[in-house]
Amino acid sequence: DQQVKQNSPSLSVQEGRISILNCDYTNSMFDYFLWYKKYPAEGPTFLISISSIKDKNEDGRFTVFLNKSAKHLSLHIVPSQPGDSAVYFCAASEVNGNQFYFGTGTSLTVIP
Amino acid sequence: DTGVSQDPRHKITKRGQNVTFRCDPISEHNRLYWYRQTLGQGPEFLTYFQNEAQLEKSRLLSDRFSAERPKGSFSTLEIQRTEQGDSAMYLCASSTSGIQAQYFGPGTRLTVL
Repeated sequence: DQQVKQNSPSLSVQEGRISILNCDYTNSMFDYFLWYKKYPAEGPTFLISISSIKDKNEDGRFTVFLNKSAKHLSLHIVPSQPGDSAVYFCAASEVNGNQFYFGTGTSLTVIP
Repeated sequence: DTGVSQDPRHKITKRGQNVTFRCDPISEHNRLYWYRQTLGQGPEFLTYFQNEAQLEKSRLLSDRFSAERPKGSFSTLEIQRTEQGDSAMYLCASSTSGIQAQYFGPGTRLTVL
């Protein structure tokens, strides 16, 4: 069963505009959420995280929003840059952090 | 900080052979995770170590898979009697204590012929 879902396999955005990537989860015990970025032939790179006690976390151009009642999180990238083109994965863990569940990824293309 | 390293980067083997992969985590990280990733999917959790103790294993992990982390440093993942369905990218990640972001290695791509 897929406990973390990314329903949009791909997204195209113009350079300078906002990119919004979405993620839904089913397990109400999830306590910690992360976003990773992956380039081809490389391992995922950590971008930003949020714990369940917050509803927003910001780091430069990246902001993650968490809506616990909807079991939904999103990643906003503003402004989008061509170098942001990659596959983005969301991931979640329960409080013990012993196991992380990943979504299937969204391929973002930022058009110059 | 040299990051997480994995060896080999690529492995081609014939069905039925055994393979072993190595992961060297970031030196001060006591948590180590193994994942498998196939095309179009996200990383799928396989197992987790805290120091030398294997604390979590995926229910989906076949008994042909075994992992070790002697002395809480590097880790090895062995697959016995490989099958074509084992073809995937095997990723290792490490982190510090508590719930922290994981840092991934570049992965080992396994092809079973």
